Amino acid sequence: GNSVTQMEGPVTLSEEAFLTINCTYTATGYPSLFWYVQYPGEGLQLLLKATKADDKGSNKGFEATYRKETTSFHLEKGSVQVSDSAVYFCALGLNTGNQFYFGTGTSLTVIP
Amino acid sequence: DAGITQSPRHKVTETGTPVTLRCHQTENHRYMYWYRQDPGHGLRLIHYSYGVKDTDKGEVSDGYSVSRSKTEDFLLTLESATSSQTSVYFCAISERTGLNEQFFGPGTRLTVL
Repeated sequence: GNSVTQMEGPVTLSEEAFLTINCTYTATGYPSLFWYVQYPGEGLQLLLKATKADDKGSNKGFEATYRKETTSFHLEKGSVQVSDSAVYFCALGLNTGNQFYFGTGTSLTVIP
Repeated sequence: DAGITQSPRHKVTETGTPVTLRCHQTENHRYMYWYRQDPGHGLRLIHYSYGVKDTDKGEVSDGYSVSRSKTEDFLLTLESATSSQTSVYFCAISERTGLNEQFFGPGTRLTVL
């Protein structure tokens, strides 16, 4: 079946630390991969995406590379800020069934 | 930001009462989705629509029905609300297939007492 697995949270980092949030997937076919961010009390916002193997998505200092050989799409940021505190969701989208599959989310707290 | 609104934003109701949540978009996107978000489960798809009057079930469709009579509106109905349907409900839209990004509304927090 199709699924997304994210690293368990919560994650707590000091400001300017390096961030990695792991995401692996299982999919039939050739998915697109996404990272979404959710701030408290809000809906999900698209952070970045990649549509084919070896693509790198990037936005606001965050990056993720679509690795077909390891079925992974890990989120990274070189220096986190307090304003990056949020819940991050990895997701895959497939053409068949027009559906998305979300991970369970990883809560990040950045302390000054 | 994509033009997606949800109403109501908050609702408290009693077990056994019907509830309808509305999602309205101004983007003219073909695909619309209803999700519920619960701690430890992430987002789970309830129903989705791939056009006017065209809908299909998602992962957790039991106890829910949907209707889409216009491109811009997608309604989610709980025919007889139960406490297990207490959740935050999100609507999302997409221009093309699941390969393309979805844009989310602000959510509706529903409490069933």
